[in-house]
Amino acid sequence: SAVISQKPSRDICQRGTSLTIQCQVDSQVTMMFWYRQQPGQSLTLIATANQGSEATYESGFVIDKFPISRPNLTFSTLTVSNMSPEDSSIYLCSVLAISGANVLTFGAGSRLTVL
Amino acid sequence: QKEVEQNSGPLSVPEGAIASLNCTYSDRVSQSFFWYRQYSGKSPELIMSIYSNGDKEDGRFTAQLNKASQYVSLLIRDSQPSDSATYLCAVDNAGNMLTFGGGTRLMVKP
Repeated sequence: SAVISQKPSRDICQRGTSLTIQCQVDSQVTMMFWYRQQPGQSLTLIATANQGSEATYESGFVIDKFPISRPNLTFSTLTVSNMSPEDSSIYLCSVLAISGANVLTFGAGSRLTVL
Repeated sequence: QKEVEQNSGPLSVPEGAIASLNCTYSDRVSQSFFWYRQYSGKSPELIMSIYSNGDKEDGRFTAQLNKASQYVSLLIRDSQPSDSATYLCAVDNAGNMLTFGGGTRLMVKP
């Protein structure tokens, strides 16, 4: 299955600032997904990053807060804008595994702490 | 709203016992079901997938699916301390979208 590299792995940010998370895949993939996992919670899908078109956001998530780029089939970025302590979470990039339909492979995640 | 429900636990079992993890889902049209394991501080990793009613076995793991009752379970035989983790149930609701349950924390005591 695909190997996903995410960075930063963790960061401590100040309230009101923005941070961009990068996700690099070792093979071309059609769809890339960004999930959020708040402390002690399960995974919530933020958006699907599509190459060549705007990202598709899930209910409760908006482009102004979480702008996403997808310049090619191996790379995507998620920006968390104007951060507040409520944005402290692990952000995970994922792709569909090559071996089977609807099977997700996850990156190691980016743990953000907002002070 | 499509939901996936799990008992948050912790579920505590002694080493060598069978751990039984359960998950219910609300969307009757769901076709694909997955169990992910997540160690503390790590990302989820797929351990089982199941698409048809019945049992599917893979080593010490058995996934069970009952679409009529809308539940899926995971049995771990001969539980080991290394199985201690949070187990996430995920359901494919529409195309490639997965909805995750809240996870069950499993603790296997030596």
